[in-house]
Amino acid sequence: KAGVTQTPRYLIKTRGQQVTLSCSPISGHRSVSWYQQTPGQGLQFLFEYFSETQRNKGNFPGRFSGRQFSNSRSEMNVSTLELGDSALYLCASSLAGVTGSTEAFFGQGTRLTVV
Amino acid sequence: SQQGEEDPQALSIQEGENATMNCSYKTSINNLQWYRQNSGRGLVHLILIRSNEREKHSGRLRVTLDTSKKSSSLLITASRAADTASYFCATDPGGSYIPTFGRGTSLIVHP
Repeated sequence: KAGVTQTPRYLIKTRGQQVTLSCSPISGHRSVSWYQQTPGQGLQFLFEYFSETQRNKGNFPGRFSGRQFSNSRSEMNVSTLELGDSALYLCASSLAGVTGSTEAFFGQGTRLTVV
Repeated sequence: SQQGEEDPQALSIQEGENATMNCSYKTSINNLQWYRQNSGRGLVHLILIRSNEREKHSGRLRVTLDTSKKSSSLLITASRAADTASYFCATDPGGSYIPTFGRGTSLIVHP
C-alpha cells in the first residue's frame, strides 16, 4: 500500500510569509501527527489530528496551525515565518487508538528554508 | 526536555561489529519504539516493545526494556555500512498516543 506522502519536498520562503504543507496518510489511518526537526532541538511534536479533530498539541506558538480533512489528509500552516522556522517538517500517520499500537509511519518530510 | 534520551550521541564502528544504543526515559510508558532515520529523510519504524515485555528480536535487532530502570537498549548485530543512520527511541507517556522522541544516536558503520 502507498506510504505517507508529503508535499512539497522542498520549500524556500521569505521571512514574514506564510506556508502550507500537506500530508496524505496511509489509507485507513485516522491519526496524523506533525513534527519539526532541527539540529538543535531534535524532533519536536507539533500537533496530532484524529478524525478531523486536534487531539494533542505541542508547545509551539499560535503561528503554527493545522487541520485534517474528512479523507484524513492533513495540512499544517505556519504564518509570519521566522528564520528559526527553517527545519525538516515530518508527518506521521498511525492507526492509534484502534489496535493500541502507536507505530507511526513517516513521510519523507518537507525541508523548509526561511531566508 | 525530551522524554527519551539516547546514549551515546554518536557511535562509530567497523562493519561486522555490534552496535549498542541506550535510551532512558522519565515517566511511565505503554510502549517504547525504535526508529531509524537516514540523513535528511523520514523515520522508519524498527521495533515496538510493550511495557510488559522485556526483550524483542527482529532480524539483526535486539531490543530490551527495563521498566524499573526506565531504560531500553537497541543492539544491532553484525553491522553493515547500510546501517549508518540516526537511531531514535520514542515513548508514549502513559495515556498518550503521541510518540515522544529523544535526540537520537548517530551511528556510522565503516566498511
